[in-house]
Amino acid sequence: AQTVTQSQPEMSVQEAETVTLSCTYDTSESDYYLFWYKQPPSRQMILVIRQEAYKQQNATENRFSVNFQKAAKSFSLKISDSQLGDAAMYFCAYRRINTDKLIFGTGTRLQVFP
Amino acid sequence: EAGVAQSPRYKIIEKRQSVAFWCNPISGHATLYWYQQILGQGPKLLIQFQNNGVVDDSQLPKDRFSAERLKGVDSTLKIQPAKLEDSAVYLCASSLTTGNSYNSPLHFGNGTRLTVT
Repeated sequence: AQTVTQSQPEMSVQEAETVTLSCTYDTSESDYYLFWYKQPPSRQMILVIRQEAYKQQNATENRFSVNFQKAAKSFSLKISDSQLGDAAMYFCAYRRINTDKLIFGTGTRLQVFP
Repeated sequence: EAGVAQSPRYKIIEKRQSVAFWCNPISGHATLYWYQQILGQGPKLLIQFQNNGVVDDSQLPKDRFSAERLKGVDSTLKIQPAKLEDSAVYLCASSLTTGNSYNSPLHFGNGTRLTVT
């Protein structure tokens, strides 16, 4: 069975600085999708960034980028120029090809200090 | 576009009582999901609908949980009778299509926080 592990329960960063959130996963599949979701206090899960496993190029979305290491089964999220609005829970998620079931990690709470 | 609507926002009940949650997906979205998020954990899929048919309910505790999506639009999730361990946030999500998930991301609602005392 696939599992997703986020080993950092909490992280903190100063405004305008850079922070990296870690995620590792376990799968025997060769192709799959990986996601980072943000969950603010409103509880709505918001898609931050996504990566297809067969693409070697790391995905980027404005201040958000990933470091995808397929052999190591690692998928970290880097947030550059951190803003107060980035404070939230961040969840890493895995999805097999041709399925819709997302498997989530336990989340990392990110605090941003002014 | 309007997002995924859920109600109620909060619900407090005693154990052994029943409760129902409602979800209205984004217009035109064929696939609807119910996730359970226990405090300190990531969301876990309970049930997935494609239109009004069930695609996956392998993790739904069927002795007490039920869900329906009549007419393939809005959906209700019911718990009867509730247990203390059912305390969680229940998230509804929808997506435009299924099977091509990368280009059809999930859109989540704000969830219902259930407390069972």
